[in-house]
Amino acid sequence: DGGITQSPKYLFRKEGQNVTLSCEQNLNHDAMYWYRQDPGQGLRLIYYSQIVNDFQKGDIAEGYSVSREKKESFPLTVTSAQKNPTAFYLCASSIDTSGAVYNEQFFGPGTRLTVL
Amino acid sequence: AQKITQTQPGMFVQEKEAVTLDCTYDTSDPSYGLFWYKQPSSGEMIFLIYQGSYDQQNATEGRYSLNFQKARKSANLVISASQLGDSAMYFCAMRGNFVFGPGTRLSVLP
Repeated sequence: DGGITQSPKYLFRKEGQNVTLSCEQNLNHDAMYWYRQDPGQGLRLIYYSQIVNDFQKGDIAEGYSVSREKKESFPLTVTSAQKNPTAFYLCASSIDTSGAVYNEQFFGPGTRLTVL
Repeated sequence: AQKITQTQPGMFVQEKEAVTLDCTYDTSDPSYGLFWYKQPSSGEMIFLIYQGSYDQQNATEGRYSLNFQKARKSANLVISASQLGDSAMYFCAMRGNFVFGPGTRLSVLP
């Protein structure tokens, strides 16, 4: 089955520790995205990548870092510089970010990060 | 810059009735697409329906339809014959920088 996997579903970390969230897709999509969602809020774009070895900052990139060494993988690191990291993190992918207007994003199940 | 507004933080509807969730948008792009997603309490995002700015007809997908009024820059989601399983958060989003609205929480009453 094609889709996006995120692991783990729940993650607990102590304040001051870096933590890496996994995102893998087997849809052969070029573009991948990371969003943050706070309780009762919409999604905010952290980073996105249009192609391997390239990524762009979104609206709230401070305190986060990403890498895109493989087409199918786009891990997100939440660093100790992120002041309020407790949130729900969603990874998504799409065929690309340009070209056809119809370009649905497919989402993973999300990772709920709690920093103690 | 693109922006999505959803002015209804919460909505209630009786089971089997229809409900309209509002979405207005702002963009200077002549070509754009609008998406609606459903997010149940489990957190997953489920794609519901898409409307392209040049589409001549309003989009429909089963019980979901989109009331697209381009001049008013609105793309309201209509859910017909509501079911208890429709209770969830609903997000309007715009193609481009994938901007999402703040969402509307729909509660279907038995």
